Amino acid sequence: QSALTQPRSVSGSPGQSVAISCTGTSSDVGGYNYVSWYQHHPGKAPKVMVYDVTKRPSGVPDRFSGSKSGNTASLTISGLQAEDEADYYCCSYAGNSVIFGAGTKVTVL
Amino acid sequence: EVQMVESGGVVVQPGGSLRLSCAASGFTFDHYTMHWVRQAPGKGLEWVSYVTGDSRGTYYADSVKGRFTISRDNNKNSLYLQMNSLRTEDTAFYYCTRDTAVVYFDFWGPGTLVTVSS
Repeated sequence: QSALTQPRSVSGSPGQSVAISCTGTSSDVGGYNYVSWYQHHPGKAPKVMVYDVTKRPSGVPDRFSGSKSGNTASLTISGLQAEDEADYYCCSYAGNSVIFGAGTKVTVL
Repeated sequence: EVQMVESGGVVVQPGGSLRLSCAASGFTFDHYTMHWVRQAPGKGLEWVSYVTGDSRGTYYADSVKGRFTISRDNNKNSLYLQMNSLRTEDTAFYYCTRDTAVVYFDFWGPGTLVTVSS
């Protein structure tokens, strides 16, 4: 049950787009369409941004979008804003188990 | 309003035991699978365990299997985590979270801190 692979950090200027990858295996990311993404500010509870690979919960801006190809899922943040600076984690179902990614720090320059 | 509040986090010695609780309100508790997720200091989120709404299914991360036991009392709208044979690497904030679909964690508690130290 190793963590899913994410880049340690990504950065962008306000208004730019950034993409965060999340690589697993055919036993998790590639095997199910159950990938979710969480935004986490230190000291606060995580917030779900995307679920079922591409779906956005009510209230999440459409600047956040999810996709998947093979064993790799991605979260794209378009039109980056200062409040998007946070840690982001992917999460995948893995057959009676759950695996999180190692986390990516998004910095708004 | 959906709310979940964890409790029970304390400082405990290695090898000790602890029971965490999560009190839920504002939703039909037995309709949802519930999970425990933890975050060690300076580390990422780590899934710990989940229990189905009817308690028929319980599942664990390899790192806690055989040491931790998840349970729930639907009459009390409460989730529990019995933690035995605690190790220093179990030191973390422990969150309970509701699963609305499959790994769709839409509500989280504020977390409770467990510190395993001599």
